[in-house]
Amino acid sequence: DVQLVESGGGLVHPGGFLRLSCAASGFTFRSHWMAWVRQAPGKGLEWVANINEDGTTTGLADSVKGRFTISRDNANSSLYLHLYSLSAEDTAVYYCARTGGQGDRWYPFDYWGQGTLVSVSP
Amino acid sequence: DIVMTQSPESLAVSLGDRATIKCRSSQSLFYSSNKKDYLAWYQQKPGQPPKLLISWASIRESGVPDRISGSGSGTDFTLTISNLQAEDVAVYSCQHYYTVPYTFGQGTKLEI
Repeated sequence: DVQLVESGGGLVHPGGFLRLSCAASGFTFRSHWMAWVRQAPGKGLEWVANINEDGTTTGLADSVKGRFTISRDNANSSLYLHLYSLSAEDTAVYYCARTGGQGDRWYPFDYWGQGTLVSVSP
Repeated sequence: DIVMTQSPESLAVSLGDRATIKCRSSQSLFYSSNKKDYLAWYQQKPGQPPKLLISWASIRESGVPDRISGSGSGTDFTLTISNLQAEDVAVYSCQHYYTVPYTFGQGTKLEI
C-alpha cells in the first residue's frame, strides 16, 4: 500500500526555520512528481511546492518563493520541505502528496499523508 | 493564476437525497490536444487528509461509489452525490492541475 508519513512540524518563532520530511513507501518513489500542500486552520487547501522525479525541476507558490525550498532523496524515498523566515501566515498543516501518473506533473494528487502541523507564534 | 470558485459554501441535504456542488474556473481547463479537462474533486473529513474522488472532471477513482459523479467541461464543473449517506458528511474541494500554480476551490461543507 502507498504510504506517505510526514514529520518535522512543530512550534517555531517568527523568522525561524523548520525542515519537514515525508517518508514514502509502497510505490516507485523515483517515478513520480511529489508535492507539498498546506491547509491553514479552518481554511482551504493551498499548493506550496512540487518537484520532478529526479529533483532537477521544482515549482513554488509565490507566497513561499524565496523562503521555502523543496528537495528529495530518491535513494531513501524521502521528500523534504525547508521552511525559512517563517511568519504567522505559514501556520498550517503541511501535507505531502503524490502526483498521480508517472513521469508527468499534470495529474491530481492521488495519495496524501496525514500531515504535520507547523505553528508559528512568538 | 487560475481562480477556482465553488458554490455553495455549505449545503445541508437529507439522507437519501442528492447534493450538487458547483465549481467554476477563471479560465478553461480543457486541453484540446488530448480532449481532457484538468479538474479534480477531493473529499476531506474532519481530521483527515483530502481523498481524491474524481480526476479529469468525470473519472471516478477506484473504490469511489458510483453514486458520486463529476461532470462539466471548460470552466464549469459539477460534483453530484446521489442517495446521500451519513458517511458523505465532509468538505468537498475542486482543484485544477492545468498549470502552476495548482489552485483549489475554497471548499463546500456538506452536512446532513
